[in-house]
Amino acid sequence: GAVVSQHPSRVICKSGTSVKIECRSLDFQATTMFWYRQFPKQSLMLMATSNEGSKATYEQGVEKDKFLINHASLTLSTLTVTSAHPEDSSFYICSALVATLNTEAFFGQGTRLTVV
Amino acid sequence: GQQLNQSPQSMFIQEGEDVSMNCTSSSIFNTWLWYKQDPGEGPVLLIALYKAGELTSNGRLTAQFGITRKDSFLNISASIPSDVGIYFCAGVKYGNKLVFGAGTILRVKS
Repeated sequence: GAVVSQHPSRVICKSGTSVKIECRSLDFQATTMFWYRQFPKQSLMLMATSNEGSKATYEQGVEKDKFLINHASLTLSTLTVTSAHPEDSSFYICSALVATLNTEAFFGQGTRLTVV
Repeated sequence: GQQLNQSPQSMFIQEGEDVSMNCTSSSIFNTWLWYKQDPGEGPVLLIALYKAGELTSNGRLTAQFGITRKDSFLNISASIPSDVGIYFCAGVKYGNKLVFGAGTILRVKS
């Protein structure tokens, strides 16, 4: 399957600082990428849909100014958690959509964010 | 909000047993995807289903796209310890939006 690389895999930051997470499609172009948040032993919660060259579409209840998404190229989307607080600590996962004849989504490895 | 009902929520397996889980919805989907997630990792795509009634295998895994397009099941035959993890179903709607089930946690009986 297609490869999606997410970086970093783990990050610890201080409260009030910002953290950037990168999601790259390595062997295909992804016009659409998704960002999810996952709490322990729960399903993936969609935060936003990132479309190349346009503004991201955020799900209800997700703060746009808090979670900045940029999809500047067909292979890279970034999520920046701004002014992080301990309650932002979570597992963040990106996925990239491959929609040619059929639609499949491939996930990055995830980023464990801990805000101290 | 989430629109897929995935069951069971969790189950214990004995090595060698067959395992079955399913997802149902009140909505119609064009595609069903089944993923496995190991702790601290992103989900990995196991099987993709594109047509109603389609039955697809991947090694010991078999999945079916329900005739009504509102459900799908995943079977694992002759389970082994490394099958442990969380399994998610996902339905793809028009507009390529994915909807996930809550997950099925597979554990090993001790």
